[in-house]
Amino acid sequence: NAGVTQTPKFQVLKTGQSMTLQCAQDMNHEYMSWYRQDPGMGLRLIHYSVGAGITDQGEVPNGYNVSRSTTEDFPLRLLSAAPSQTSVYFCASSYSGTGNNEQFFGPGTRLTVL
Amino acid sequence: GEDVEQSLFLSVREGDSSVINCTYTDSSSTYLYWYKQEPGAGLQLLTYIFSNMDMKQDQRLTVLLNKKDKHLSLRIADTQTGDSAIYFCASGNMLTFGGGTRLMVKP
Repeated sequence: NAGVTQTPKFQVLKTGQSMTLQCAQDMNHEYMSWYRQDPGMGLRLIHYSVGAGITDQGEVPNGYNVSRSTTEDFPLRLLSAAPSQTSVYFCASSYSGTGNNEQFFGPGTRLTVL
Repeated sequence: GEDVEQSLFLSVREGDSSVINCTYTDSSSTYLYWYKQEPGAGLQLLTYIFSNMDMKQDQRLTVLLNKKDKHLSLRIADTQTGDSAIYFCASGNMLTFGGGTRLMVKP
């Protein structure tokens, strides 16, 4: 199993550009989520999905869109990048969103918006 | 919303015990978690504790839970240089993370 994979590893954008961060998992997990990590602030939940076709907002959803057309993939779209979106983005998946759900994290995408 | 707080930094000598503390506000959490993040990597689940337990031991790791004070701690016995990392506590069914404690282990 590859686990949770994310691409790209690094990305530099100019303000106003759009892009999609890719996330895929091969563990047949129902629950997938996107976090951003900023220094001293831990991880903050952007969006999550409890299954294909179902998504919901987390703590900091503004400026981001998601879709979940398959169980495996959960892309995160930045519609119009802003410097405030400079961060490290982590995708995670787990078997279920509740209970003892060990979340498996991808290696992260480091995004810089100039 | 829920809040999870941790101290930012802890420095210990190799062989000593490390204690990382965390406070949380969501008393409805069924499980509380400790994750470890090594440089340049994602988070990995280190251990967790069910909310009706006071203590859980797993080899060098001991988790203590004080539900009354909403205080969670992680003790690492015989800390090694390989334990240097950032440790996050997390609570809630939707996982609210603390800001992380950077553990530095000096040889």
